[in-house]
Amino acid sequence: AQSVAQPEDQVNVAEGNPLTVKCTYSVSGNPYLFWYVQYPNRGLQFLLKYITGDNLVKGSYGFEAEFNKSQTSFHLKKPSALVSDSALYFCAVRQGDSSASKIIFGSGTRLSIRP
Amino acid sequence: NAGVTQTPKFQVLKTGQSMTLQCAQDMNHNSMYWYRQDPGMGLRLIYYSASEGTTDKGEVPNGYNVSRLNKREFSLRLESAAPSQTSVYFCASSGWDSANYGYTFGSGTRLTVV
Repeated sequence: AQSVAQPEDQVNVAEGNPLTVKCTYSVSGNPYLFWYVQYPNRGLQFLLKYITGDNLVKGSYGFEAEFNKSQTSFHLKKPSALVSDSALYFCAVRQGDSSASKIIFGSGTRLSIRP
Repeated sequence: NAGVTQTPKFQVLKTGQSMTLQCAQDMNHNSMYWYRQDPGMGLRLIYYSASEGTTDKGEVPNGYNVSRLNKREFSLRLESAAPSQTSVYFCASSGWDSANYGYTFGSGTRLTVV
């Protein structure tokens, strides 16, 4: 069965510093991996995805994520954090490309950027 | 704007009352989902509908029922609300472009059962 783990409930970073939000996954076959962001009182918004190709994928708001097949990880990164990046981040995995394949979400990591 | 619309945004119920959460999407998506979000537990799938006319249980279906009224609409019903159902509920949909964009989410319904 597919699963996704976000080992950190909260990540605290100073503005201007690089940030990393960790995610590991378990799925048979090729994974489809996603990151979503949730701002207060809002639904989840798509941030970026990995399907195939380059291991480093770029997404919205300057975020990027690195796919590492050997470590089954898909960590979210940003070179220089902004206070406005403070939000709840969810990693997600889907097994296969069928529209019937459900996406499994991690438990979420709260990112807090201090000025 | 195209997307997923949920109503109501907020609701307070007394224990034992019933209510229906409404969800509609205008993206011609085949699949729709209901999740609940609780602190520290992420998103848990309640029910989903892979296509019009079908519904299936997710991870936490007890206490809920759903109806896929047509391709656009997918409602979630609480027949007898319990305090344990206090949560934020999200509806989502996905279609042919789901491999690229995953799910599209509504803005949520914050439900409190007292």
